[in-house]
Amino acid sequence: DVKVTQSSRYLVKRTGEKVFLECVQDMDHENMFWYRQDPGLGLRLIYFSYDVKMKEKGDIPEGYSVSREKKERFSLILESASTNQTSMYLCASSLASGVAGAHEQYFGPGTRLTVT
Amino acid sequence: AQSVTQLGSHVSVSEGALVLLRCNYSSSVPPYLFWYVQYPNQGLQLLLKYTTGATLVKGINGFEAEFKKSETSFHLTKPSAHMSDAAEYFCAVSDRDTGGFKTIFGAGTRLFVKA
Repeated sequence: DVKVTQSSRYLVKRTGEKVFLECVQDMDHENMFWYRQDPGLGLRLIYFSYDVKMKEKGDIPEGYSVSREKKERFSLILESASTNQTSMYLCASSLASGVAGAHEQYFGPGTRLTVT
Repeated sequence: AQSVTQLGSHVSVSEGALVLLRCNYSSSVPPYLFWYVQYPNQGLQLLLKYTTGATLVKGINGFEAEFKKSETSFHLTKPSAHMSDAAEYFCAVSDRDTGGFKTIFGAGTRLFVKA
């Protein structure tokens, strides 16, 4: 079974702090994603990566950065946390899309971040 | 541009009743379509997916969905609801974008099952 793990289930940080959210997958997937989930808005893509050291902006990258130094690990960084970044953060991974088409994504359990 | 619309943010059914969760999409090319389920305090997990071929797709836990190109729909159904089906359900569409595929998720539908 594919397993995607996230470093914390719950996190409380203060405004202005630098926050690191870690994600690890064990299935040698090429693609990794970071989403935030807010009620009524579904999942919104923050960043994704299709290879080590590669990253692409998603739909809402402002205020976030990412790092992918190893294939299995994808980190989300909030440089200076703000209250409007209070949300559920979900990490996902998938096989590379190609001639076979798009593949399903496998999700971690999520990190509920509260910024006070 | 892609978009996904899930009709109804909340759906309530009685145990044993039919479950119907609606999903409509817009895409300029035949898309790949997915339904995911999210149980409380968990991440999303795949219920079923449509890629090519048979338009009626069967998934886990007795769910199925039918791809109707003419209606641009991919509604999720289950003949008889169980209490354990209470969860949030997300429809997603993937189609070709610059350099690969892009996936868009719907806003989600929360399913309540009454005893």
